[in-house]
Amino acid sequence: ETGVTQTPRHLVMGMTNKKSLKCEQHLGHNAMYWYKQSAKKPLELMFVYSLEERVENNSVPSRFSPECPNSSHLFLHLHTLQPEDSALYLCASRQGSTLNTEAFFGQGTRLTVV
Amino acid sequence: GESVGLHLPTLSVQEGDNSIINCAYSNSASDYFIWYKQESGKGPQFIIDIRSNMDKRQGQRVTVLLNKTVKHLSLQIAATQPGDSAVYFCAENMQGGSYIPTFGRGTSLIVHP
Repeated sequence: ETGVTQTPRHLVMGMTNKKSLKCEQHLGHNAMYWYKQSAKKPLELMFVYSLEERVENNSVPSRFSPECPNSSHLFLHLHTLQPEDSALYLCASRQGSTLNTEAFFGQGTRLTVV
Repeated sequence: GESVGLHLPTLSVQEGDNSIINCAYSNSASDYFIWYKQESGKGPQFIIDIRSNMDKRQGQRVTVLLNKTVKHLSLQIAATQPGDSAVYFCAENMQGGSYIPTFGRGTSLIVHP
């Protein structure tokens, strides 16, 4: 248990569906991140929130829409996804203003787009 | 392109052997590096870190070596066990608003009993 909880753990959705991924941390961290992990690829940074403001949007298609309502919660809203969006989506948090601290990851949501 | 990457995608070892996983980085100003372990079905977990003012740091059965001259990082695992089988990532916290963890490709370590 890392202190970062992601739900759901698994999600199958059609290309016309709308769904949301949820991430929650109670570690007192002020930065939260979404990463995409596809097979045989490095972790790809998607979005960064620091102090509840989006500070990084790494050229992610608009069918992915993040939301950070408070410092403990992060959402990723999904809409009209493509099969190539199937991947493991990982949420992480850390103390963003400090260089030498590690990120804490959730277990991920395994997303399959059919 | 990536500033952090790994030389080998897969490493197979026998139980009890020592394992060495390598990583190269390109940003000479990088100041802090982390090794993560990702087991099947889980998110990456912190193993050990090192600041750029050090060239070696030891943990329990793990050692990280940093060579700033050639911008190379390695993770050594002593007496590798089947439970060490996982994907290992090196990462650095890159400046960009806040310090953003940036990951290399990962090396899959397979430990044979």
